[in-house]
Amino acid sequence: EVQLVESGGGLVQPGGSLRLSCAASGFTFSDHYMDWVRQAPGKGLEWVGRTRNKANSYTTEYAASVKGRFTISRDDSKNSLYLQMNSLKTEDTAVYYCALRITMIENWGQGTLVTVSS
Amino acid sequence: QPVLTQSSSASASLGSSVKLTCTLSSGHSSNIIAWHQQQPGKAPRYLMKLEGSGNYNKGSGVPDRFAGSSSGADRYLTISNLQSEDEADYFCETWDSNTPSYVFGTGTKVSVL
Repeated sequence: EVQLVESGGGLVQPGGSLRLSCAASGFTFSDHYMDWVRQAPGKGLEWVGRTRNKANSYTTEYAASVKGRFTISRDDSKNSLYLQMNSLKTEDTAVYYCALRITMIENWGQGTLVTVSS
Repeated sequence: QPVLTQSSSASASLGSSVKLTCTLSSGHSSNIIAWHQQQPGKAPRYLMKLEGSGNYNKGSGVPDRFAGSSSGADRYLTISNLQSEDEADYFCETWDSNTPSYVFGTGTKVSVL
């Protein structure tokens, strides 16, 4: 059974940084692309970015709203995905989900809440 | 970038059927989409991948009551024999090959009467 467990959320001041983690199990992590998706309170889903697998050079893509501030990385030896968030803004407040992508997203984590506020 | 248009809400009686629509913007009518369900207070759940041909592949454990279909730029999710646990938000997702990036529809809130 696929399991994705996010951690690292919390309260951070505007301009601050935070690193989210996602622990994966139940599938061959190194074979797959992985995504981050967020959901602001009471709003819809917003794609944040993704990392490809080793066979595709771990290349990454990002949404325009986070490009240059957020960095996705992975450690296949630890079956873990990361989201480094810098220069955080109040509008980055959201639940952040880790997701397994085959062609479309096929599995979601339970999410971790990030609150950006002074 | 493709835009996915969904109606904001839909409702139907317990045991009846409801058909949700996700419309792809011009130039993207052949895109594959995915449907996701989000029950109140929970994480999203993948329901199915749906092609422009109408072929669909459901996720593990998704009940037979959920079915997909397509017509032109429209992608449909039909829920038959509606149950109380089907009360949820339903989002569609697709891929923008130009950017590249992924986009979600704004979601349809389904109420079971």
